[in-house]
Parts: sequence; C-alpha cells; structure tokens
Amino acid sequence: GAVVSQHPSWVICKSGTSVKIECRSLDFQATTMFWYRQFPKQSLMLMATSNEGSKATYEQGVEKDKFLINHASLTLSTLTVTSAHPEDSSFYICSAMPAPYGYTFGSGTRLTVV
Amino acid sequence: SQQGEEDPQALSIQEGENATMNCSYKTSINNLQWYRQNSGRGLVHLILIRSNEREKHSGRLRVTLDTSKKSSSLLITASRAADTASYFCATDATGTASKLTFGTGTRLQVTL
Repeated sequence: GAVVSQHPSWVICKSGTSVKIECRSLDFQATTMFWYRQFPKQSLMLMATSNEGSKATYEQGVEKDKFLINHASLTLSTLTVTSAHPEDSSFYICSAMPAPYGYTFGSGTRLTVV
Repeated sequence: SQQGEEDPQALSIQEGENATMNCSYKTSINNLQWYRQNSGRGLVHLILIRSNEREKHSGRLRVTLDTSKKSSSLLITASRAADTASYFCATDATGTASKLTFGTGTRLQVTL
C-alpha cells in the first residue's frame, strides 16, 4: 500500500513549451502533496506545498507563475512547468501526505529542456 | 538556508564493512528520517526516528539521534554492493506542517 505514481518518468521538451507532471496517490487520499526539485548530485529542494482544493504555497525563490501547481482532487496533483528553459532541466519529485506509512514519494520525473 | 549538512559527501568502502553517515540540522524537529536514492530514481524511506527517541534499528540499519547536538547518524552494517546509493537525512521541523528539509546527502559506493 501507500503508492504514489508519478508520470512521466522522463520528458524532453523544446525551450518555450510547457510540460505537465502528474502525481497520483493510488491507494490513499492525499490532502497534501509536496513538490521537490533536485539538480544533479544535489539534494532535494522543496518547491511548493499543495493542499487539495486550495492554492499552493510556494517556497521563497520559486516562481509561482512558472511552476503551476494544481491539486484538484484528493488523489491527483499536477505540476506544470510553463515556458520551459534549459535551466529548468532537473529531476522533479512529488510526495504525498498523509500516507499510511508516513511520507511516500513518487519515482520522479527527469525533465530535459533542449 | 535551513538545509541540513551531511558528511561525508562521499564514502567508498568494501563489501562487508560498515558505513557511517552523519547528519546535522538547524531547527527543532518532530522527527528525522533517512532515505535512500539510487541514481536517477525516486526516494526509498529507510527509517524514521522521533525527537524523543535516541536510537532505532531496522535490519542492518542503526540510527541515532542527539537533539542536543542537532545531529543524527546512520550506520549500515555488513554493507553490500547493492547498498551503493545516495543517502539523505530529512527533518520534519516543528511548526512546518510536515514539510521535509533534506540534507545534502552522502554518496555511498560499496565495492566487491
């Protein structure tokens, strides 16, 4: 139990286009989802916290107009990287709460912007 | 930055040896967790230790927590090549609504 499914696992897009990443809790209801970004050989940095039915709370320095987060249901949150640029290339990971066994993470999405 | 520090940044050992990683953090916490990440993959939760606990075991893993020093250690005993991965500590600070702050990570390489 406590599975978080994240799609796609990897995506390559052209500079200027938008990319949507989905995070689904498969067997529990996630009132809160967290989105992290991880650059190569670095740690995870929290980007934003989304609560079902309300606006996301962004961490300092994260552009809310660039990284659109929607948490429309108790099982789905989406992160849309708008007008992506090469510097947005990174590994994006979601996690969902409350999960039956604590924090549960998705498998991550490798975004490459060319 | 509130990010925790881990040391060493990288650790290379031979199979069968023990590996110890340390984590220091900056704020009061509800709990501290350790995660493992294989290259390019998601996180695997290893163990959670609450702020009122001092030591916890899970299989070949032993975690200690010293809240007075704001530090934790992860010991992996009798390491295996399959333990090769990056290991991160993460703190759930008090008053942060369950947000996790990750440490800088330790890259462990276990060779045959």
